Amino acid sequence: DIVMTQAPLSVSVTPGESASISCRSSKSLLHTNGITYVYWYLQKPGKSPHLLIYRMSNLASGVPDRFSGSGSETDFTLKISRVEAEDVGIYYCGQFLENPFTFGSGTKLEIK
Amino acid sequence: EVQLVETGGGLVQPGKSLKLTCATSGFTFSTAWMHWVRQSPEKRLEWIARIKDKSNNYAIDYVESVKGRFIISRDDSKSSIYLQMNSLKEEDTATYHCMGPLAYWGQGTLVTVSS
Repeated sequence: DIVMTQAPLSVSVTPGESASISCRSSKSLLHTNGITYVYWYLQKPGKSPHLLIYRMSNLASGVPDRFSGSGSETDFTLKISRVEAEDVGIYYCGQFLENPFTFGSGTKLEIK
Repeated sequence: EVQLVETGGGLVQPGKSLKLTCATSGFTFSTAWMHWVRQSPEKRLEWIARIKDKSNNYAIDYVESVKGRFIISRDDSKSSIYLQMNSLKEEDTATYHCMGPLAYWGQGTLVTVSS
């Protein structure tokens, strides 16, 4: 199974500053079709997860452009520019290249 | 508006069965590949099953830990998917979410397996 390793486990950010979350996969997530099948989700407190980034770098509908995704075949980064109070929650990366699909263990973002 | 609503969770004894339902609306269900994902009390996410659409022969995949015990199915006429869970174990305790297609999540239904 592909292992997704996230870091850090938690991050505390001052409003207005930026934050980066790392995700590393144990295998390349680059498909032969040229698409990298890594997704990012945010689970706000008391809510279900919702999609932020799909296929490594594509912003999901309705997601502020303060969020961005980047990476290579095995190393991925979610960047949040100008963090706001509403960004608190747990961020998860997930791979949907190969069964069984797997998720990282999550990064908890808190506001200072 | 996209909606996914899971029902059917509850408290069940080890070895017993439970069937979850996910009713959807607001997107083209018939062509969507649908998933079940569970979240442990420790907040870990675990993908457990996927069912593809008719054009892909409703192909199904499971995570190893539920193979032979869980069955995913769908009814395109009702825009719904199901998860039949048999031989439940205490480690199956989690909130079960339906998801599809990789973008939309339901609020989840809690399954507690305990004697």
